[in-house]
Parts: sequence; C-alpha cells; structure tokens
Amino acid sequence: NAGVTQTPKFQVLKTGQSMTLQCAQDMNHEYMSWYRQDPGMGLRLIHYSVGAGITDQGEVPNGYNVSRSTTEDFPLRLLSAAPSQTSVYFCASSSLGLAGESSYEQYFGPGTRLTVT
Amino acid sequence: AQKITQTQPGMFVQEKEAVTLDCTYDTSDPSYGLFWYKQPSSGEMIFLIYQGSYDQQNATEGRYSLNFQKARKSANLVISASQLGDSAMYFCAMREGPWSAFGNEKLTFGTGTRLTIIP
Repeated sequence: NAGVTQTPKFQVLKTGQSMTLQCAQDMNHEYMSWYRQDPGMGLRLIHYSVGAGITDQGEVPNGYNVSRSTTEDFPLRLLSAAPSQTSVYFCASSSLGLAGESSYEQYFGPGTRLTVT
Repeated sequence: AQKITQTQPGMFVQEKEAVTLDCTYDTSDPSYGLFWYKQPSSGEMIFLIYQGSYDQQNATEGRYSLNFQKARKSANLVISASQLGDSAMYFCAMREGPWSAFGNEKLTFGTGTRLTIIP
C-alpha cells in the first residue's frame, strides 16, 4: 500500500493563479480531509469528506474548493492564490468509526509546501 | 477559548531521561478522543498514541504513554528513556463527539511542542 500520497511536493504560485493539490489514498478510507500548517499555529482543518459526493467545510475554508468523485481521490483547488495561502498542506484519511469508541487514527500524506508570491 | 492547549513551545531533555509533554483540552462533549502526533524535521505526521474519553486505563504504546486525567482535562504524553530520534515537534489533537457521526472525525490540533534531545 502506498498509503496517502500528495502531489506536488513543492509549488510556487503567483498571486491570482489557480492550481489543484492532489491527494490519493489506497486504503479504501471513507474519511478524507485537508489541513494547512502555519508556523506557530498547528494544523487547521480546511475541508473534509465522509465519502464520495459528500464534503463539508472545516475551520478555514475560504479560498479553497474541494470535490470527491471517488473514494480514492480528494483534490484541493485554489481558485485565485493569495500570499496568505502560503503554507504546508496535508491531506489525511481514516476509516469512519463504528458506533462507540475506537482509535481510528488519521493517516497523513507527506505534505505539499506551497509558496504564493 | 482554545480547545487544545500546549503550553511548552520548546523543551530540552537529556538523552535517556523521561519527558512529559503537556496537553490540556476543552470540550463539553462527553465523548471525545485525544491523539498525539510526532512531526520530525522531515515534515511527515506520525501517529503515536490515542486515548478515548471512556477508556478506563491510560493508553500505552511502547515507550509512549498517555497520562489521562479526565477531571483536569489533561492528556500529557510521557516518553520514557528518550532517544536522539525523539527530537521533533509533538502535537496533541482532539476529536469531539462519538465515532460514526458525520464530521466527528475532524481533529483540532494544539500549537505543538518542539522537543530536543541532548546527547
């Protein structure tokens, strides 16, 4: 299993450009999510999905779009990049838990370092 | 109010000593889970340990244990016999609500503690 893969690893954009960060997982996980990591702020949730066709916003969704057409893929789109979107982006996936307590850890991809100039 | 608070931005510990990384949390939900992740300088997020709110015993995974004090809302990570490879950022995170509910897999992270092991 490759686990969670993200492409590209690094990207530099100019303000106003658009791009898509790719995320794929081969573990048949229902839940997928995108986080951004900024210095001194930990990870913050951007968008998440509990299955194909179902997405919702997290804590910091502005400026980002997502869709989930397959279980495996969960791309993150920046429609018009801004310098404030300079960050490291992590994709994560996990199984949806059954009723009751479980330790369903989230598996993280290696991250994409994005710089917007 | 912060949902996850990590009050130690950085710590220096001598190799082979035990170390405790602090984490306090804030939730009104009776069902929640607490996670610790390690982020080495290479940048990946590595899952270390999990504690459920209804778990009767403290979680342990090898050299890692979680000191769960529910009444105090603290979930400190204890690393026994520290090694040079333990030098990394450590994040505490929380999931609120029971598993299987829509969106309850969302994690809220603290700001992290940078641990440096001194030889």
